[in-house]
Amino acid sequence: AQSVTQPDIHITVSEGASLELRCNYSYGATPYLFWYVQSPGQGLQLLLKYFSGDTLVQGIKGFEAEFKRSQSSFNLRKPSVHWSDAAEYFCAVVPVYNQGGKLIFGQGTELSVKP
Amino acid sequence: GAGVSQSPSNKVTEKGKDVELRCDPISGHTALYWYRQRLGQGLEFLIYFQGNSAPDKSGLPSDRFSAERTGESVSTLTIQRTQQEDSAVYLCASSLKPGLAGGNTQYFGPGTRLTVL
Repeated sequence: AQSVTQPDIHITVSEGASLELRCNYSYGATPYLFWYVQSPGQGLQLLLKYFSGDTLVQGIKGFEAEFKRSQSSFNLRKPSVHWSDAAEYFCAVVPVYNQGGKLIFGQGTELSVKP
Repeated sequence: GAGVSQSPSNKVTEKGKDVELRCDPISGHTALYWYRQRLGQGLEFLIYFQGNSAPDKSGLPSDRFSAERTGESVSTLTIQRTQQEDSAVYLCASSLKPGLAGGNTQYFGPGTRLTVL
């Protein structure tokens, strides 16, 4: 079945430590790939997106993500986490056949940051 | 306004009542999307509008849910005879046009938190 999976429901990292959030997808053709962040009481904000080209994508707030076709993954990374990064992170895809562009989301990963 | 706005921000209703949720997209955005986020779950697509038409309503969970858009602007999501399982955050997003041509991006509003008692 077509799906987007975020294996980690909750991750805790120390401030200043590196971060990697996992995302795997299951689609016949590589979909368009996105990471969104949702801070408490806020709407979703786009961190970065991958449509084609360079498989390492830079986003806002110091985040990057790497597309790996062989692993059907699009993991989000940040070298040094700040306390303000505590939030919920959603991986999302748009299947290439979908003309309307509706997003299909993973379940989300909640990030906590220890001082 | 500068971004997508939604009203009300919070709505508490009794089971069986009807509710209306409003979305004001970014001016000039022709595409508008509704999503639902139930507690502890990811977002589920409900419906999207291109202009005032809804080419994809596939995510509406039942015939109690309906939505309309007027003037290629504001949209209203209506839930009739609300049930407790309708409790969720309802998010609206808009984009300049549908699809992903030209790197099109969806911008999200802050959501309406609906609680059905």
